[in-house]
Amino acid sequence: KQEVTQIPAALSVPEGENLVLNCSFTDSAIYNLQWFRQDPGKGLTSLLLIQSSQREQTSGRLNASLDKSSGRSTLYIAASQPGDSATYLCAGRSTGNQFYFGTGTSLTVIP
Amino acid sequence: NAGVMQNPRHLVRRRGQEARLRCSPMKGHSHVYWYRQLPEEGLKFMVYLQKENIIDESGMPKERFSAEFPKEGPSILRIQQVVRGDSAAYFCASSPGSEKLFFGSGTQLSVL
Repeated sequence: KQEVTQIPAALSVPEGENLVLNCSFTDSAIYNLQWFRQDPGKGLTSLLLIQSSQREQTSGRLNASLDKSSGRSTLYIAASQPGDSATYLCAGRSTGNQFYFGTGTSLTVIP
Repeated sequence: NAGVMQNPRHLVRRRGQEARLRCSPMKGHSHVYWYRQLPEEGLKFMVYLQKENIIDESGMPKERFSAEFPKEGPSILRIQQVVRGDSAAYFCASSPGSEKLFFGSGTQLSVL
């Protein structure tokens, strides 16, 4: 069974700083990895999806990378803004169309 | 194309009552997933369904909980004889297959 870990559990940074969120998974036989954002009391919003054949995906200030061999994915946020404050979750899709979620990183960007 | 629709948004039940949570997937999506989230905790997988079939229910308690995704109509997560420990946010997600997951806004269940 796939185990997904996210470190750190919480992160506070001043506005404008670049930051990296980490996601580790135990089963390298991963089909894709998706990063989500969750605001308090809300559902999850998909940010980026990386296929197993890809190394990275970019959307605006966000860049996600995937290294299957080491079982790691990172989400890079450039020039952070207070509006980026949220919980960020990664989910790996393994065999059987099952998606395994990490416990998330709670990000606070301080104005 | 409307997103994943969940209703009700909030549901209050007394202990022993039944809770029925509904999820209409995005148009064209035949895969539905249900997750439960407790405060300050991550998403816990409950059940994965395709039209008229339960594919994986390994995350769902054996008693009191059931799920269905009929040929017509929304997916239903049913909790019988609710207890206070069932209070949580329940999220539904849909997918066209093996690609992206799209989430609904969730149903917040409160058991008094």
